[in-house]
Amino acid sequence: NAGVTQTPKFRVLKTGQSMTLLCAQDMNHEYMYWYRQDPGMGLRLIHYSVGEGTTAKGEVPDGYNVSRLKKQNFLLGLESAAPSQTSVYFCASSPALAGSYEQYFGPGTRLTVT
Amino acid sequence: RKEVEQDPGPFNVPEGATVAFNCTYSNSASQSFFWYRQDCRKEPKLLMSVYSSGNEDGRFTAQLNRASQYISLLIRDSKLSDSATYLCVVNMGTNAGKSTFGDGTTLTVKP
Repeated sequence: NAGVTQTPKFRVLKTGQSMTLLCAQDMNHEYMYWYRQDPGMGLRLIHYSVGEGTTAKGEVPDGYNVSRLKKQNFLLGLESAAPSQTSVYFCASSPALAGSYEQYFGPGTRLTVT
Repeated sequence: RKEVEQDPGPFNVPEGATVAFNCTYSNSASQSFFWYRQDCRKEPKLLMSVYSSGNEDGRFTAQLNRASQYISLLIRDSKLSDSATYLCVVNMGTNAGKSTFGDGTTLTVKP
């Protein structure tokens, strides 16, 4: 039982390049989330999904797109990377149980955009 | 005003000390509350949920005060391994379980 895994762990992009971050969970959780965390700051929600085939915007969605074609996977795309997107990206999942919104996080992807 | 506010610290305490963190939230309709622990350059991990009746897990005690809209975390007999950033998390209980994270309180326990 791997929990939540993220690929890749590190990446360096040049401004304007694109990439996709992959998140996978094996806990059969309904909800999945993408956050970014900048140095010394809290987590900010980028996009989230309440189930396969559904996605919604979070607090800071601009410059990102997501897809959830399979329940266990949640992809985060950057179409044209900018230096302001340099950050640590965390994926999380949560069971869809009433009142149970604890989240389980992946190890993160450290992205640098030069 | 931020939805969830924490004292950023840092809190520097000796081993064996008792330390308490407070967190305030602005939305009175908030439903569920959590404390997470985040080690340097690692992912957040759930430390404990916070219930209205308060709850205890070993050296850790969490309390919720709905009237004043704050939650607290008490750590007794601090260990070196407790050094981390502690994140307060508030959830509305609706809207896909979206949670709001505080910026965290940093604790360093020294020998």
